[in-house]
Amino acid sequence: GENVEQHPSTLSVQEGDSAVIKCTYSDSASNYFPWYKQELGKGPQLIIDIRSNVGEKKDQRIAVTLNKTAKHFSLHITETQPEDSAVYFCAASINTGRRALTFGSGTRLQVQP
Amino acid sequence: EPEVTQTPSHQVTQMGQEVILRCVPISNHLYFYWYRQILGQKVEFLVSFYNNEISEKSEIFDDQFSVERPDGSNFTLKIRSTKLEDSAMYFCASTTGGGELFFGEGSRLTVL
Repeated sequence: GENVEQHPSTLSVQEGDSAVIKCTYSDSASNYFPWYKQELGKGPQLIIDIRSNVGEKKDQRIAVTLNKTAKHFSLHITETQPEDSAVYFCAASINTGRRALTFGSGTRLQVQP
Repeated sequence: EPEVTQTPSHQVTQMGQEVILRCVPISNHLYFYWYRQILGQKVEFLVSFYNNEISEKSEIFDDQFSVERPDGSNFTLKIRSTKLEDSAMYFCASTTGGGELFFGEGSRLTVL
């Protein structure tokens, strides 16, 4: 089955700096790659996703890049703010999300004011 | 904004007891899921449900687990005889099938 590796496990940045989180996946059939933000005591919330027919997607301060050949994808957050502090999970799935998501192990992002 | 709702938010039970976790998915969604997250660890898939039957399940979802959609709105996860290692946060999720998966706030299960 699919295996998703995520790095780093913790990331501390100064407010205004950029943060990058990287994931690799194992199943070349995966074609849907969402990123979730989880705040303390809450469920994961989708922040951005990318499908395998696209190499990059941007939404304001958040961008995701996908390299299908290398089977890796990354989350980029620019101009970080304290409210970006949370745990971020990458995930991968076949069939554009109708199949089960396989999650990475999570990255705890701390934005220092 | 429509949301997935879960009850209870926290349940404490004795080992060996049966537990039912309840979820109300978003009303026009067709695919329903249960995931779990042991404290501090990754979110793990348990089971997916579509068209009134299980469409996929993980190795975690053994005979102690069952799911049901008893009416048009509720989606339940039953653990027949809880074990200590079942202690976790259980998340219900739903989607139309177009990609975005909406998660509930979770039900924390503590097995003593």
